[in-house]
Amino acid sequence: SQTIHQWPATLVQPVGSPLSLECTVEGTSNPNLYWYRQAAGRGLQLLFYSVGIGQISSEVPQNLSASRPQDRQFILSSKKLLLSDSGFYLCACGLFPYEQYFGPGTRLTVT
Amino acid sequence: AQSVTQLGSHVSVSEGALVLLRCNYSSSVPPYLFWYVQYPNQGLQLLLKYTSAATLVKGINGFEAEFKKSETSFHLTKPSAHMSDAAEYFCAVSAPDKLIFGTGTRLQVFP
Repeated sequence: SQTIHQWPATLVQPVGSPLSLECTVEGTSNPNLYWYRQAAGRGLQLLFYSVGIGQISSEVPQNLSASRPQDRQFILSSKKLLLSDSGFYLCACGLFPYEQYFGPGTRLTVT
Repeated sequence: AQSVTQLGSHVSVSEGALVLLRCNYSSSVPPYLFWYVQYPNQGLQLLLKYTSAATLVKGINGFEAEFKKSETSFHLTKPSAHMSDAAEYFCAVSAPDKLIFGTGTRLQVFP
């Protein structure tokens, strides 16, 4: 079965600093990969998804970007963080036909 | 386009009482439907899924859901609530290459 790793688990960053969150997947090949964000008291917001290496679809225009340099690696980045980037970031792995499995999440606080 | 509506952002029940969490969906094609549970500061965990086989789907932790095409509903039930069921629950419907999630329902269980 698949396992999704995310790190770091928690992160406190000042406004204007860069960001890099990493997600890696074990136990499956060529999965769809997803980045979600949960702001405090709000639901899931899909940020990016990828159906293959180098293929990124953006759902929400913002100061974040994503990359997929390897089949089972998905990276979320920002050049300059905003206060509104605070939240709980979840990586997910999609398997046929549609079900998704989620990682443990990264809690980001921008100060 | 696909969409999901979860009726009731908060539901409170007594321990031992019936749990009913409501989900209505919209889809132009036969849908796949999912329920996920999220405990505080954790990722989402798949509870159950409907993939066009049996309309009554049984999941983990004693939960089940019934797909009703005529009502476009996929409500989640559990006959007897436990304190450990307190969590946030998300309904989701399939869309091309991704899932569309509802806004979530927070379940509180009182002793």
